[in-house]
Amino acid sequence: GAGVSQSPSNKVTEKGKDVELRCDPISGHTALYWYRQSLGQGLEFLIYFQGNSAPDKSGLPSDRFSAERTGGSVSTLTIQRTQQEDSAVYLCASSLEDRVQYFGPGTRLTVT
Amino acid sequence: AQSVTQPDIHITVSEGASLELRCNYSYGATPYLFWYVQSPGQGLQLLLKYFSGDTLVQGIKGFEAEFKRSQSSFNLRKPSVHWSDAAEYFCAVGAQSGNTPLVFGKGTRLSVIA
Repeated sequence: GAGVSQSPSNKVTEKGKDVELRCDPISGHTALYWYRQSLGQGLEFLIYFQGNSAPDKSGLPSDRFSAERTGGSVSTLTIQRTQQEDSAVYLCASSLEDRVQYFGPGTRLTVT
Repeated sequence: AQSVTQPDIHITVSEGASLELRCNYSYGATPYLFWYVQSPGQGLQLLLKYFSGDTLVQGIKGFEAEFKRSQSSFNLRKPSVHWSDAAEYFCAVGAQSGNTPLVFGKGTRLSVIA
């Protein structure tokens, strides 16, 4: 079946602009995660959705970052007033109750 | 706090040689453990996982890992490396209680030479 998809694959934006990153999880997966991968770093957790529960936003680095998940499926990560330190690869993952997370190919964000 | 340490940032091995990538974790309870591989420009692919039971787990592409509770380790091994194994490898730990975000190590980059 189809895996996790993310769009766009690459995004170049100017400092101060807002960006939206999209994630389409595997159909039927109840949990959805966003991670950030910066150069030379591991993966940093950002936000996590589980079913209809309130999302766990504990990893968001600032209030410029937000995310929503509509209809328990597609998710959008929004970064407002982008800064150069926001440049990274943003990875989305989804999982069932078996706790195995399946990752999308990522969106490479470059802030100039 | 949960943490994962991959002490080797970069390893180079010859094709056909054996491989061991180290992973140590710090976790308050019995964790779920994972190894993922990331090829350049790609997302992460699951190699193997440990939840319970046999502490030696087999994964895809000929990889295996051994959970050693006494050493808080989950090292990844492969008896004979292929050039296509060149990639970044990430160890991760998760909670046994429900779906939760994973905590990742910083990764080990594997280069394979002829």
